[in-house]
Amino acid sequence: KNEVEQSPQNLTAQEGEFITINCSYSVGISALHWLQQHPGGGIVSLFMLSSGKKKHGRLIATINIQEKHSSLHITASHPRDSAVYICAVAYNTDKLIFGTGTRLQVFP
Amino acid sequence: NAGVTQTPKFRILKIGQSMTLQCTQDMNHNYMYWYRQDPGMGLKLIYYSVGAGITDKGEVPNGYNVSRSTTEDFPLRLELAAPSQTSVYFCASSYSDIRATNEKLFFGSGTQLSVL
Repeated sequence: KNEVEQSPQNLTAQEGEFITINCSYSVGISALHWLQQHPGGGIVSLFMLSSGKKKHGRLIATINIQEKHSSLHITASHPRDSAVYICAVAYNTDKLIFGTGTRLQVFP
Repeated sequence: NAGVTQTPKFRILKIGQSMTLQCTQDMNHNYMYWYRQDPGMGLKLIYYSVGAGITDKGEVPNGYNVSRSTTEDFPLRLELAAPSQTSVYFCASSYSDIRATNEKLFFGSGTQLSVL
């Protein structure tokens, strides 16, 4: 069964720490998306990856196709980064399969 | 641009009632989606559309219907509401196939639905 596994489920950090969130999938994919769900429930897209690495501000997303693994890194974390981070993949279709998310809390 | 506008934000239904969740986007996006989010679970695709007049089932379509008469609007109809349909519903859109380079999903603010 094509699934998406995220780890850890929950993560707490002190402000300024480097954060890593992991996403693993089962077979070859066409695309991988990282999304952020705010405490109020709103969802925004962060990155779409099919290979390599992308960076936007303090966020960095990488994907290793051979290891079927992606990571989302947050540098110099801040309390406003507190959110649920969701990984989603497209296997051989135009539909996304979503992970259950990683809940991040950053304390001042 | 308002983006993706979804209404209502909250709704309580009695078992057997029907309702329509409205979704409108003003970005001229071709693809539109309806997802549900249950506690502790990943988002699940209910229905999606690749353009006006074209709709298709997702993973969990039972108990729902959709239509896409215009590019902008993609309403989700719940017929004969059941407690299993208690969930948070999200409408989303994208310009093209989500596998396309740099493609992004744009989400509405969500509808919290309780069926009692």
